Amino acid sequence: SAVISQKPSRDICQRGTSLTIQCQVDSQVTMMFWYRQQPGQSLTLIATANQGSEATYESGFVIDKFPISRPNLTFSTLTVSNLSPEDSSIYLCSVEGEWYTEAFFGQGTRLTVV
Amino acid sequence: QQPVQSPQAVILREGEDAVINCSSSKALYSVHWYRQKHGEAPVFLMILLKGGEQKGHDKISASFNEKKQQSSLYLTASQLSYSGTYFCGTWTSRDYKLSFGAGTTVTVRA
Repeated sequence: SAVISQKPSRDICQRGTSLTIQCQVDSQVTMMFWYRQQPGQSLTLIATANQGSEATYESGFVIDKFPISRPNLTFSTLTVSNLSPEDSSIYLCSVEGEWYTEAFFGQGTRLTVV
Repeated sequence: QQPVQSPQAVILREGEDAVINCSSSKALYSVHWYRQKHGEAPVFLMILLKGGEQKGHDKISASFNEKKQQSSLYLTASQLSYSGTYFCGTWTSRDYKLSFGAGTTVTVRA
């Protein structure tokens, strides 16, 4: 199993600013995943972050808006840039267990943009 | 592509049963089931690998029909603790990522 520490747990940000979310895993993992969960909705994959390479973004998500860093095998950050009220969501980082048998999630970051 | 999940919501009384379905248009390698309670992260329930297996955890079980690319989650003799939103996640043979269904909100009442 993997234990994920995600920070901050919640934040209220002004329009036009940015928020950086940190995700720390207690073991080395190849891929880390970033999801967005809008109110009452499902989890939508933003991007997959591999250590040592550019993140792979899903359709509808771009690097300028959601830059990701992956400096080592246990840590990643997601920045949500140029915030607007539409960015108000829960953001979750996730890793896969061995042989992709289970996804482990951080506790999420609840972002409110005012 | 997102799997299709049904129903959207179900309300049960304690002790009643429910079935949640999940289907995909793609060939699946595995199906995952998660439950999320309000304000919390999703929690893994079980995984079903291709091969048509069935699994169970307490009174929650699931099946995977590989030919139809469908999975069903069975809530038997529901308890209050079963309330939450259930998501299926599908993992295809070609994509190294989980795609989640829209979710089924289960409310169990005393």
